[in-house]
Amino acid sequence: EAQVTQNPRYLITVTGKKLTVTCSQNMNHEYMSWYRQDPGLGLRQIYYSMNVEVTDKGDVPEGYKVSRKEKRNFPLILESPSPNQTSLYFCASSLRGGYNEQFFGPGTRLTVL
Amino acid sequence: GESVGLHLPTLSVQEGDNSIINCAYSNSASDYFIWYKQESGKGPQFIIDIRSNMDKRQGQRVTVLLNKTVKHLSLQIAATQPGDSAVYFCAENFRNTGTASKLTFGTGTRLQVTL
Repeated sequence: EAQVTQNPRYLITVTGKKLTVTCSQNMNHEYMSWYRQDPGLGLRQIYYSMNVEVTDKGDVPEGYKVSRKEKRNFPLILESPSPNQTSLYFCASSLRGGYNEQFFGPGTRLTVL
Repeated sequence: GESVGLHLPTLSVQEGDNSIINCAYSNSASDYFIWYKQESGKGPQFIIDIRSNMDKRQGQRVTVLLNKTVKHLSLQIAATQPGDSAVYFCAENFRNTGTASKLTFGTGTRLQVTL
């Protein structure tokens, strides 16, 4: 089944404790992206990747890192999480960027205490 | 399920009626538009898209209308069903100079279908 998977689905952590949210797609998509979703603000892009080893900042990249060493994986790293990063995070992929349908993962609910 | 938003505009329609969800987009240079549906506890799901060289596109039970003059997008759902209850997002896409195109999402509208 074609899909985007994220892990974990739920995570409660404390300020400053490094964490990684994994994202994987099995559709051989070139483009992958991370979004955060907050009430009243909609989906905001954190980082995106056009292809392996190519990443770029979205609208709200501060406090996040990403890597794209393989085509299928696009982990989101929070080196020192803070409470304002408490949010619902979505990973998405598409064949070749914004002009194609983006497939979204199920979401990761992160709470930083 | 995951809460998408506490204070979203809400459209309430009766089962079987047609629904119209509106969206104002911000960038006159946007050339591609998408509607997504997000059910509780799930990620957004593609419904229909339209390019800026069109003003109407139809899918199965859904129609998207684009008015570039006033930067307005609408999603029409025919014969609304309980399974259509969800939050609906419009998204606009434009190409940044020299880099990937950028998809910007609206804040969403909650559709409630009453029996």
